[in-house]
Amino acid sequence: DAGVIQSPRHEVTEMGQEVTLRCKPISGHNSLFWYRQTMMRGLELLIYFNNNVPIDDSGMPEDRFSAKMPNASFSTLKIQPSEPRDSAVYFCASSLGQVDGYTFGSGTRLTVV
Amino acid sequence: GNSVTQMEGPVTLSEEAFLTINCTYTATGYPSLFWYVQYPGEGLQLLLKATKADDKGSNKGFEATYRKETTSFHLEKGSVQVSDSAVYFCALISGGYNKLIFGAGTRLAVHP
Repeated sequence: DAGVIQSPRHEVTEMGQEVTLRCKPISGHNSLFWYRQTMMRGLELLIYFNNNVPIDDSGMPEDRFSAKMPNASFSTLKIQPSEPRDSAVYFCASSLGQVDGYTFGSGTRLTVV
Repeated sequence: GNSVTQMEGPVTLSEEAFLTINCTYTATGYPSLFWYVQYPGEGLQLLLKATKADDKGSNKGFEATYRKETTSFHLEKGSVQVSDSAVYFCALISGGYNKLIFGAGTRLAVHP
């Protein structure tokens, strides 16, 4: 298995633009998680899905952030409009069960200028 | 609620020194416990895990024992290498939906 695949690896965009981050989880995993990592705030859980259904989005910072999981093999995290304070590394992770832990993708480094 | 507390870093050691990174947790029920490692510029990788009391997880020379009586899962390695320099995260899963709760992370720097 290729692992959790995220795209793009790097994204530089101007303030006010829409940004879409993509994630392909490991086949067969039934849970998917989006995290944001910054030096100031560390690792933050934004939202997670179980069987493609959003379970908890309490970590989504504002209405500018939205996430979808239209099927078991694809998820997106969208920021519209983007702001400089959204600059961070965004990780996607997937999981099969409680005893297995998560498999993380390599992350998307987002820079909003 | 569930939470994980780990020692603040950075931890700075010389090569071949003994490493301990403390981790304690608060959880309802019987959590599964994990250590993740993040090398510079990379995502988090599962280092080791333990799913029930007294289990010992081990990988790449690292070990951690699930201690229910002290609610701890301390990470140890007998002889660290420069290549072990990274950020280490303690984490737990408890309850439904596989939600992983992370500690704040501990940065380890190993010098030759």
